Amino acid sequence: SAVISQKPSRDICQRGTSLTIQCQVDSQVTMMFWYRQQPGQSLTLIATANQGSEATYESGFVIDKFPISRPNLTFSTLTVSNMSPEDSSIYLCSVDIAKNIQYFGAGTRLSVL
Amino acid sequence: AQSVAQPEDQVNVAEGNPLTVKCTYSVSGNPYLFWYVQYPNRGLQFLLKYITGDNLVKGSYGFEAEFNKSQTSFHLKKPSALVSDSALYFCAVYGNNRLAFGKGNQVVVIP
Repeated sequence: SAVISQKPSRDICQRGTSLTIQCQVDSQVTMMFWYRQQPGQSLTLIATANQGSEATYESGFVIDKFPISRPNLTFSTLTVSNMSPEDSSIYLCSVDIAKNIQYFGAGTRLSVL
Repeated sequence: AQSVAQPEDQVNVAEGNPLTVKCTYSVSGNPYLFWYVQYPNRGLQFLLKYITGDNLVKGSYGFEAEFNKSQTSFHLKKPSALVSDSALYFCAVYGNNRLAFGKGNQVVVIP
């Protein structure tokens, strides 16, 4: 398994501002993932972040809105840019350790006013 | 593209009774199937997986799941539910280097 730390755990932000979420893993991993979980909804994959390459975004998500960094094998950040109330969600990072099992951070609960 | 369906929104069960959470899947090729649980204000926790082998898979906290290829199902079960099992349960299928999650089922165990 893996220990995944996400910061901040929650935040309340003003419309038009940006928030950067950090994800730290206690071991080196190749693949990291960022998900969004809107209120009462399932998880939607935003992007896959591999170290040393550009993140791969899913349909409906773009780099300008959700820039991702992956500077090393234990760390990644997701920025939610120019926020609107529709961005209010839980944002989760996960890692694929072995045999396709993903382990998740506790999530960042974002409210945009 | 791969997908899973969790037909029920909420499952209510009395403490001590058997618990079943339903999941059906669609994927090309052999399915890699997973169950995750999400407790309030927590991230997702891995419960169990099916990759190959025995159709009955045992996981954490006394949960098990039965893979049924002919019915394309992977229902989660627990013989005797606890109040502490009240949570949101997600079924997921792996394909194209990613997990596709179902919409989730809220399980409420009534004391």
